[in-house]
Amino acid sequence: AQSVTQLGSHVSVSEGALVLLRCNYSSSVPPYLFWYVQYPNQGLQLLLKYTSAATLVKGINGFEAEFKKSETSFHLTKPSAHMSDAAEYFCAVSERGGNKLTFGTGTQLKVEL
Amino acid sequence: NAGVTQTPKFRILKIGQSMTLQCAQDMNHNYMYWYRQDPGMGLKLIYYSVGAGITDKGEVPNGYNVSRSTTEDFPLRLELAAPSQTSVYFCASSGQLDGETQYFGPGTRLLVL
Repeated sequence: AQSVTQLGSHVSVSEGALVLLRCNYSSSVPPYLFWYVQYPNQGLQLLLKYTSAATLVKGINGFEAEFKKSETSFHLTKPSAHMSDAAEYFCAVSERGGNKLTFGTGTQLKVEL
Repeated sequence: NAGVTQTPKFRILKIGQSMTLQCAQDMNHNYMYWYRQDPGMGLKLIYYSVGAGITDKGEVPNGYNVSRSTTEDFPLRLELAAPSQTSVYFCASSGQLDGETQYFGPGTRLLVL
């Protein structure tokens, strides 16, 4: 069965600093990988996804993630944090041949002045 | 397009009461999903549907029922509410191709007392 591990339930960065949110997956074959963002009292919104094209995926709001098969990782980065990036971020995986998502437990990002 | 809509936004139930959470999408998606979100736990799949008349259990189906009579609607039924069903419920929809993005509704916050 596939699973997702997000290291760090809370991450705090200064405005303008690098954002790095970690995600590792467990799957027998390279899956599809997603990052979603959830702002307070809202639903989830797709940031970016990996579907076996380029391993470096660019998303909305300046975020990007790199699929590394050897490390079974799909970490999310942004070069310079903005106050508006404060939200909860979820990594998710779906197996090939199916569309069901398995979510990580989420990382709450706090951006400080 | 309204996307995925959910009603109600918030509801308080007494133990043993029943209710239906409504979900509708206007994107002509075949696949629809119900998740629950609990603090620190990420999202867990309750039920999903791959088309009208076809539903299947997800990871946490106990205490819930679903039906899918039309492509647009996918209601979730709680028959005998229990405190353990206090949660935020999200409906989502997607196309049927591999790796398709799931689009989420704004959620229904349910409190069972």
